Amino acid sequence: NAGVTQTPKFQVLKTGQSMTLQCAQDMNHNSMYWYRQDPGMGLRLIYYSASEGTTDKGEVPNGYNVSRLNKREFSLRLESAAPSQTSVYFCASELGTRQETQYFGPGTRLLVL
Amino acid sequence: RKEVEQDPGPFNVPEGATVAFNCTYSNSASQSFFWYRQDCRKEPKLLMSVYSSGNEDGRFTAQLNRASQYISLLIRDSKLSDSATYLCAVNRGNDYKLSFGAGTTVTVRA
Repeated sequence: NAGVTQTPKFQVLKTGQSMTLQCAQDMNHNSMYWYRQDPGMGLRLIYYSASEGTTDKGEVPNGYNVSRLNKREFSLRLESAAPSQTSVYFCASELGTRQETQYFGPGTRLLVL
Repeated sequence: RKEVEQDPGPFNVPEGATVAFNCTYSNSASQSFFWYRQDCRKEPKLLMSVYSSGNEDGRFTAQLNRASQYISLLIRDSKLSDSATYLCAVNRGNDYKLSFGAGTTVTVRA
């Protein structure tokens, strides 16, 4: 099993460019999450999806959109990247909805110039 | 005040030593508590959940102190492979969503 996979691993964008971060899981999990991790700060929840077809905002949703394409895939889109979105982005999934046993992907390192 | 706070460290300890550190949380309604391990430039991985009665997994012991609103992690007989950043996570009580601390870095030296 691959677990949770994320693409790309690294990306450099210019301010104003758009991009989509992809996440897929092969564990038949119901819930999927997008986090960002910045130095000196904890992981912060951007968006989550408790089931296929539903998405909800987390702590820091501004500047992002998400799509739960199917049960396996949950993508994160930056419509107009800003330097403040420079971060490491992690996708996670779990079988339930209480964030009790999350499995994280390897992360995407994003630099916005 | 941050919802979850951790001493960033680093805690530098020799192999075989015991190291312990805490994580404080601000929401008294929090119900679930976790420790994650994160190696450099890798993803977090769940180390252990923290139960009210405390729990132990090999050399790792986690405790919860509800009165003072903190959880602790103790590592006995430290190994070089224990070098990592340890993140605590606490749910917010009302919506089960987790708040993460910024992590405590532990470096075990030979």
